[in-house]
Amino acid sequence: GQQLNQSPQSMFIQEGEDVSMNCTSSSIFNTWLWYKQDPGEGPVLLIALYKAGELTSNGRLTAQFGITRKDSFLNISASIPSDVGIYFCAGQSAGTYKYIFGTGTRLKVLA
Amino acid sequence: SAVISQKPSRDICQRGTSLTIQCQVDSQVTMMFWYRQQPGQSLTLIATANQGSEATYESGFVIDKFPISRPNLTFSTLTVSNMSPEDSSIYLCSVGGTGELFFGEGSRLTVL
Repeated sequence: GQQLNQSPQSMFIQEGEDVSMNCTSSSIFNTWLWYKQDPGEGPVLLIALYKAGELTSNGRLTAQFGITRKDSFLNISASIPSDVGIYFCAGQSAGTYKYIFGTGTRLKVLA
Repeated sequence: SAVISQKPSRDICQRGTSLTIQCQVDSQVTMMFWYRQQPGQSLTLIATANQGSEATYESGFVIDKFPISRPNLTFSTLTVSNMSPEDSSIYLCSVGGTGELFFGEGSRLTVL
């Protein structure tokens, strides 16, 4: 099925560093969701975005709904070892209840 | 957010057999979905489980292979039929709220 492009595909960072990842689409979306998935677990919703330009924070996480409505960004500040996991974006178009998921960004944090 | 419980959490199955995965939600929800996550991959929507009517399947997924039941607003099952090693995946139940989508823990199936 259709997927969103996420980048980077994977990243290794030092504990305490900030992290940025993004998700891009050829389609316009009305809603963007960001998830974290730990090994053996289901994805956990981190942040939901509903308006172009919206900037929303959840603790050390901040996500933005791109102005073009075709992209979204997730930043993690001052990373810690428990930030390790796979981060997925998901987008929903107008007039549909379905979400399309990104390809994922695998994050590893070196202590 | 809803609490979503899936059973089994994992199973090892023989080729040619079928397995039914159960999804129980702690509150009534209108929209329930089933996703598949193949090893190392992203999530792909299999179907929308409709209460009181047949499920709506996405392209590439058919009812004969993935029959779905939705007898009420808190429960659904997904059956993976006539399994082959290619069906080894995590199967995830999810429910939609007001723009948000929540997932169960997933059912990890390994087909030998």
